[in-house]
Order: sequence, then structure tokens, then C-alpha cells
Amino acid sequence: GAGVSQSPRYKVTKRGQDVALRCDPISGHVSLYWYRQALGQGPEFLTYFNYEAQQDKSGLPNDRFSAERPEGSISTLTIQRTEQRDSAMYRCASSLDLAGGSETQYFGPGTRLLVL
Amino acid sequence: SQKIEQNSEALNIQEGKTATLTCNYTNYSPAYLQWYRQDPGRGPVFLLLIRENEKEKRKERLKVTFDTTLKQSLFHITASQPADSATYLCALDKVGFGTGRRALTFGSGTRLQVQP
Repeated sequence: GAGVSQSPRYKVTKRGQDVALRCDPISGHVSLYWYRQALGQGPEFLTYFNYEAQQDKSGLPNDRFSAERPEGSISTLTIQRTEQRDSAMYRCASSLDLAGGSETQYFGPGTRLLVL
Repeated sequence: SQKIEQNSEALNIQEGKTATLTCNYTNYSPAYLQWYRQDPGRGPVFLLLIRENEKEKRKERLKVTFDTTLKQSLFHITASQPADSATYLCALDKVGFGTGRRALTFGSGTRLQVQP
């Protein structure tokens, strides 16, 4: 079956513009996670959802970042008024089970964001 | 503050030898610890999970140990092959902000290079 998909794969934007990154999880997966990954680093947790409910957004860097998953499936990570420091790989993952540390996470290919 | 430490220096070993990677953590009491593999340009892929009450877990050529007293996990690949060359990430469950639910926090990973 299809894995986690993300779009766009690459996004170049100018400083100050808003961007929306999309994640389409594996069908039937209950939990969805957003991470940011810098080169040579592990994924840095941003936020996650169980179904449509955002459970933990403590990893979002500031209030320019927001995420939603209105119908418990596709999720959008929005960055408003982008800054150059927002440039990174943004990864999405999903898991069949509710988040609780024992679930296997399946990662998407990521969206590479470059803010000029 | 909570920290996960993996050796940032690449580990170079000869084909056929056993590779041992280390994951240390501080100020955590994780119930679960997971290991993922990440190839360049790809998302992490789940390998193994070990629970806090398990000392050791095996899967084919892989072995993971979890010492909650030392706050350390060791990841072993026996009879290593060049195809095992990748970055290996450990991840621990972390209590979520506010809700008490737990999500994964990843270490920065260790790159393994297996020479033929």
C-alpha cells in the first residue's frame, strides 16, 4: 500500500511569505507527527495529533507555526511570515496506534523548505 | 533538561565485524526506546523497540540492550555488511506537554560506515 506522502517535496519561498506543507498519512493511521530535521541531526519534534485532536504542540518554535488535521487524516503545517531560519527539512510521520512511545512511526519523504 | 546523546562521530568498521552504537539519556525515565535507520535523503525507518522492563531484544543480526540504571541503550549489528552503512537514530518516549501523553524524541544519530 501507499506510504506517507508529503507535498510539495521542495518549496522555495521569499522571507515574509506564508507556506503550507501537506502530509497525507497511511490510510487508517490514527496518529500523525510533524518533525523538523536539520542536516546531520535527528528529527526534532514539533507537534502531533491523535485523530483530529492536537495532543502536544510544545515543539512548535513560535506562534508563526501552526498545524491542523481537521478530519483526522490529511494534515497541514503552516508557517506564517517565513524567516530564513525556518529553512529545513520538514518530515511527517504516522502510526497505526495512538501515540504512547510503543508505536512504530512511518515517515514520509519530507518537504525541503528554503526561505530566501 | 532532558537529553539524548549519540556519538556524533561516524563509526567505521570492517565488513563482518560487529558494530556497536550507543545511546545515552539524562533526566528521562522512558518506558520505551526505539531504534531507526536513516539513509541519505530518506526518512527514518523503524528497526526495533525495547521496553523498560526488557534487558535485551533481538531481530536477525540486530540486538538492542536497555539499561535503565546506566540510562543507556546499545545497538549491535553482527556480521556487518556494507549495506548496513547508514545513520542510526535512537528515540525515546517523552511525556507530552499538558496532556501526559507521550511522543517520541529522537537523538541526533550516529553514522555507520561498513568497509568491504
